[in-house]
Amino acid sequence: EDKVVQSPLSLVVHEGDTVTLNCSYEVTNFRSLLWYKQEKKAPTFLFMLTSSGIEKKSGRLSSILDKKELSSILNITATQTGDSAIYLCASTIQGGKLIFGQGTELSVKP
Amino acid sequence: SAVISQKPSRDICQRGTSLTIQCQVDSQVTMMFWYRQQPGQSLTLIATANQGSEATYESGFVIDKFPISRPNLTFSTLTVSNLSPEDSSIYLCSVEVPPHTDTQYFGPGTRLTVL
Repeated sequence: EDKVVQSPLSLVVHEGDTVTLNCSYEVTNFRSLLWYKQEKKAPTFLFMLTSSGIEKKSGRLSSILDKKELSSILNITATQTGDSAIYLCASTIQGGKLIFGQGTELSVKP
Repeated sequence: SAVISQKPSRDICQRGTSLTIQCQVDSQVTMMFWYRQQPGQSLTLIATANQGSEATYESGFVIDKFPISRPNLTFSTLTVSNLSPEDSSIYLCSVEVPPHTDTQYFGPGTRLTVL
């Protein structure tokens, strides 16, 4: 059965801290790994990763894929209260379907 | 990316009734999907909405309960039928843009509460 697992499930940090969110996947016909940020209802696209070892970066957020370890990490540096959200990791499999992890709920305290 | 709208944004429905959710995209897209997010849970794929043919449903989801229409490349509807409180969820459509890139963008979602 295709599975995506995220850790930790929740995290509380203070502004300015750096956080690392983890995602591991066990899927057949893996195509890509996506990260989303969910604040209210709709997940907002952050990154899509297909190649191992190539870091993608957007401002204070960065992500990298390790296809040997079947995992990915999302780093957020100098966290701000606006980073508080649920971060979702998903694997794309055949047919373009997304298999989601449980999400990591990040809370950034002032 | 694409501009995706969903209607309604939220609704409260009585048990046994049905709700139809619309998803509109500002450009033609090949792949369109419907997801459900139950309270405190992650997203689960309901079905792939295929233009001009029947939707492809995931295990655990059936056409009688979740009929889907996709009349053209910019629009789809999901109906949740014979509602029960267990159907209370957020329902989201997503599209793959650009095509064949695996990059999916989500609509704003519809929050359904069944009493």
